[in-house]
Amino acid sequence: EADIYQTPRYLVIGTGKKITLECSQTMGHDKMYWYQQDPGMELHLIHYSYGVNSTEKGDLSSESTVSRIRTEHFPLTLESARPSHTSQYLCASRDRDWLNTEAFFGQGTRLTVV
Amino acid sequence: RKEVEQDPGPFNVPEGATVAFNCTYSNSASQSFFWYRQDCRKEPKLLMSVYSSGNEDGRFTAQLNRASQYISLLIRDSKLSDSATYLCVVNFMNSGYSTLTFGKGTMLLVSP
Repeated sequence: EADIYQTPRYLVIGTGKKITLECSQTMGHDKMYWYQQDPGMELHLIHYSYGVNSTEKGDLSSESTVSRIRTEHFPLTLESARPSHTSQYLCASRDRDWLNTEAFFGQGTRLTVV
Repeated sequence: RKEVEQDPGPFNVPEGATVAFNCTYSNSASQSFFWYRQDCRKEPKLLMSVYSSGNEDGRFTAQLNRASQYISLLIRDSKLSDSATYLCVVNFMNSGYSTLTFGKGTMLLVSP
């Protein structure tokens, strides 16, 4: 089993609230990713990091921000949640040998903004 | 054109059937390839990597055709537990960094 954890698993929150989705891994992986997935749709990369103090935006534009102050921790923040942010957010990590290494996913956070 | 394209299905097959999924990718610089499995409302998990010479893992066989930029997954003797969405995943370099790009997935439904 992968040692990557996301909290909360489910979150229902009102419009305009600030939220932080937590992601932690204990595998010492340098590379971490955030994906957004709507029901029945593909995963879209919204942020990634190749190590401490490294963050990049992904293919899908997102109003969220991320930080990577510690190797094991890659939180995602929405300053002001909107109903359009309702989705599932999946965090993943990979080891340094990136060509053929597996990406491990957390169980996801299902966010509903009302 | 999407970077990774898959037929979304669903593929409805009876138990014991053989089923094949295809995937095409647009970036010729892609360097490694994977099939992931995602169960309903769960996170994706690696099913198998895809090697240039083709590879097999039990009832699952993966093939890669770099010239045609095409990947396939063959499942023999389908089980009810094979029902899931199968994601084709491509890894390529982008400005010196590797990124994973996921296809939309192909849904498989195996019935008794």
